[in-house]
Amino acid sequence: DAKTTQPTSMDCAEGRAANLPCNHSTISGNEYVYWYRQIHSQGPQYIIHGLKNNETNEMASLIITEDRKSSTLILPHATLRDTAVYYCIVRVAGRDDKIIFGKGTRLHILP
Amino acid sequence: DTAVSQTPKYLVTQMGNDKSIKCEQNLGHDTMYWYKQDSKKFLKIMFSYNNKELIINETVPNRFSPKSPDKAHLNLHINSLELGDSAVYFCASSHPPGRAATDTQYFGPGTRLTVL
Repeated sequence: DAKTTQPTSMDCAEGRAANLPCNHSTISGNEYVYWYRQIHSQGPQYIIHGLKNNETNEMASLIITEDRKSSTLILPHATLRDTAVYYCIVRVAGRDDKIIFGKGTRLHILP
Repeated sequence: DTAVSQTPKYLVTQMGNDKSIKCEQNLGHDTMYWYKQDSKKFLKIMFSYNNKELIINETVPNRFSPKSPDKAHLNLHINSLELGDSAVYFCASSHPPGRAATDTQYFGPGTRLTVL
């Protein structure tokens, strides 16, 4: 079973920041938070991951709360191409091979 | 510049047939995976191979047999296909489980299997 809870769906206006929340209240100290997305009819795409500190790359920013029980993925300037299902995953990187996907959040970017 | 590729993209076949799906990665990864996404869109891991050796087998029927001829390829052979096998199958690859910075999994485009 997935160890994360995400809203089923969200809307965001094009050009605005999309903030996708994720709860992982039972996360262990050695578990990382990963985000993937799946655009319709494509394979999942890695976005970003982090352990404790906030992370940023060319796609997104990841904000992890101090107690690590929740996190937020931020797409700073959403475009229509960001419409996808976004999966928040916790895993022990370095030991667990498998990724356990939950239901994810279906993000709709509105023109 | 394809990183993880799968063939075929679509596969329609009759119940009882045997079929194979091929996967190739050019990322230099040692570890490869097969995932299944059913009609309800749940993605579940089926197998993982590290350097041609089976690492994970997630209670998949014996009719499913992965074969890894070399590190860059992991093919999925399915015998006696059933209606319930209809799904999208994704191949993925990564470096071996190690430091978090290097074991990110990269997915192929998927193969949509329809069993009639």
